[in-house]
Amino acid sequence: GEDVEQSLFLSVREGDSSVINCTYTDSSSTYLYWYKQEPGAGLQLLTYIFSNMDMKQDQRLTVLLNKKDKHLSLRIADTQTGDSAIYFCAESRSTLGRLYFGRGTQLTVWP
Amino acid sequence: SAVISQKPSRDICQRGTSLTIQCQVDSQVTMMFWYRQQPGQSLTLIATANQGSEATYESGFVIDKFPISRPNLTFSTLTVSNMSPEDSSIYLCSVVLAGALEEQYFGPGTRLTVT
Repeated sequence: GEDVEQSLFLSVREGDSSVINCTYTDSSSTYLYWYKQEPGAGLQLLTYIFSNMDMKQDQRLTVLLNKKDKHLSLRIADTQTGDSAIYFCAESRSTLGRLYFGRGTQLTVWP
Repeated sequence: SAVISQKPSRDICQRGTSLTIQCQVDSQVTMMFWYRQQPGQSLTLIATANQGSEATYESGFVIDKFPISRPNLTFSTLTVSNMSPEDSSIYLCSVVLAGALEEQYFGPGTRLTVT
């Protein structure tokens, strides 16, 4: 199976919270990342969490990590239409190492 | 973070030709990588660009098809050789900056269409 898995689509109403989920397989993951890709653009690093943490909050973004279940989530509070994009989960297994990506979750925000 | 530029931003090429993509960074870089994103797919690592030496390729990618140069710390090129329609993808460089070793940043990508 894939190293990193995500659901492909999520739709929410403007103002609601969005939760994007990700599972990974490698227990040696050191950092886990969330990237945002808008149409026609590259990947924007949104946030990341070290594997010995279980939560990280950054303004409207909250990352939760359950290392036992190898489950990562990204919560976006007060979702706006500008948040519509593809969100990629990724993991690294060493500092300076390559990233392993999920297939991305297409988030659509309805006004 | 850093400013990462890629040239060209997009191109349409004929089968059998080659295209060289440039990646330039405005900060000190430790690691540089080249990824491919095929339509509707995730990102796949092509190779790690090593400064002053041969790149390290992932399984399924070879130097003859994807030659890579990295003459200095902040610049790298990826060539897609003898192109076929299956090479139509977005090609992205990514970097790890000195002083922020856990963060990896991506260039805007080069959208390649092979006809």
